[in-house]
Amino acid sequence: EDQVTQSPEALRLQEGESSSLNCSYTVSGLRGLFWYRQDPGKGPEFLFTLYSAGEEKEKERLKATLTKKESFLHITAPKPEDSATYLCAVLLVRGYQKVTFGTGTKLQVIP
Amino acid sequence: DAGVIQSPRHEVTEMGQEVTLRCKPISGHNSLFWYRQTMMRGLELLIYFNNNVPIDDSGMPEDRFSAKMPNASFSTLKIQPSEPRDSAVYFCASSLGAAGGETQYFGPGTRLLVL
Repeated sequence: EDQVTQSPEALRLQEGESSSLNCSYTVSGLRGLFWYRQDPGKGPEFLFTLYSAGEEKEKERLKATLTKKESFLHITAPKPEDSATYLCAVLLVRGYQKVTFGTGTKLQVIP
Repeated sequence: DAGVIQSPRHEVTEMGQEVTLRCKPISGHNSLFWYRQTMMRGLELLIYFNNNVPIDDSGMPEDRFSAKMPNASFSTLKIQPSEPRDSAVYFCASSLGAAGGETQYFGPGTRLLVL
């Protein structure tokens, strides 16, 4: 069975305290991996797509990396506005290209 | 662009009542997804349409759930009869191109509470 696990479930950081969120997966037929950000009361918002091991993408204070078994979302010197739930999703081949989401990491950045 | 539009934003109903959720995808997108999000199970795909045709409905919980897409600009998700365990946030998303290979754009969601 395909599994996508995100850790930690929740993370509390001081402003400026860098850290990483993890997305590990046990799947077959991986075609890619997405990272989304979700603010309270809103739908997920796309951040990155990664397609191959070793690939990296950056956006402001966020950098996403991908290995064969997991992905990391590195947050450098976070600010309170980075507080949100971060979701990863794997893109699988299941007759069509199916997206399966993890349960997310809720990040709180304290001023 | 207005983005994906969902209505209603909030719905409170009593057990046994019919609930209809509505979605207008982004113009020009030909893939549409319905998801359900709960604290326990996260974001689950219910059904996926491509060019108005249901491609994958394996996530639809049971026969009480049904979804239609009569044209490229409108879709509905219906629950009949509703039960308290259906309480969740329901999201509609759309993408350009076939299936999940393209970025999905999510609507603001409908928060459903079944009493």
